[in-house]
Amino acid sequence: DAGVIQSPRHEVTEMGQEVTLRCKPISGHDYLFWYRQTMMRGLELLIYFNNNVPIDDSGMPEDRFSAKMPNASFSTLKIQPSEPRDSAVYFCASRLDVGELFFGEGSRLTVL
Amino acid sequence: AQSVTQLGSHVSVSEGALVLLRCNYSSSVPPYLFWYVQYPNQGLQLLLKYTSAATLVKGINGFEAEFKKSETSFHLTKPSAHMSDAAEYFCAVSDPGSARQLTFGSGTQLTVLP
Repeated sequence: DAGVIQSPRHEVTEMGQEVTLRCKPISGHDYLFWYRQTMMRGLELLIYFNNNVPIDDSGMPEDRFSAKMPNASFSTLKIQPSEPRDSAVYFCASRLDVGELFFGEGSRLTVL
Repeated sequence: AQSVTQLGSHVSVSEGALVLLRCNYSSSVPPYLFWYVQYPNQGLQLLLKYTSAATLVKGINGFEAEFKKSETSFHLTKPSAHMSDAAEYFCAVSDPGSARQLTFGSGTQLTVLP
């Protein structure tokens, strides 16, 4: 079975540009999580969905960040406008109910 | 609210030596505890988990961890380190009553010396 699929794997953009990160969870999983990983702050939960509905977005740093899950097989994390301090690795993860959390390989974002 | 503290951001061991990575937790309710491993340029992978059954938990790749309530600890051990164990290891805690959102520790980078 395919795991959690994220794209792009690497993104380099300039400050002020819009960035969209994409995630395809494992088929059948009903929870989807977006995490951000930086050297300074470690792994931070940004937002999570249950059955496509956002449940907790308290970790979203600013209004520049938004996340959607239009259907069970797709989610996006958008940053508009991007800033250098947004540079990080963004992970998507999914799980079925209270089962194991599976991570994608991450999207490494560099904002110049 | 729950949290975990990983003691030592970097640990080095010789190949064949004991691996001990420390994790202490703080939780107002009996927690679920996890260890994840992250290899370079990859996502996190579950090593093992404690969910209130046996206090000694065995995971993949020869790792195990023991839940000690009296010490609020969940240290990860492996009797004999292998070069392939070099990675970053994360301890995580969840509150069973809150959709089991995971709170991660800051991670410990394990280096295995030849």
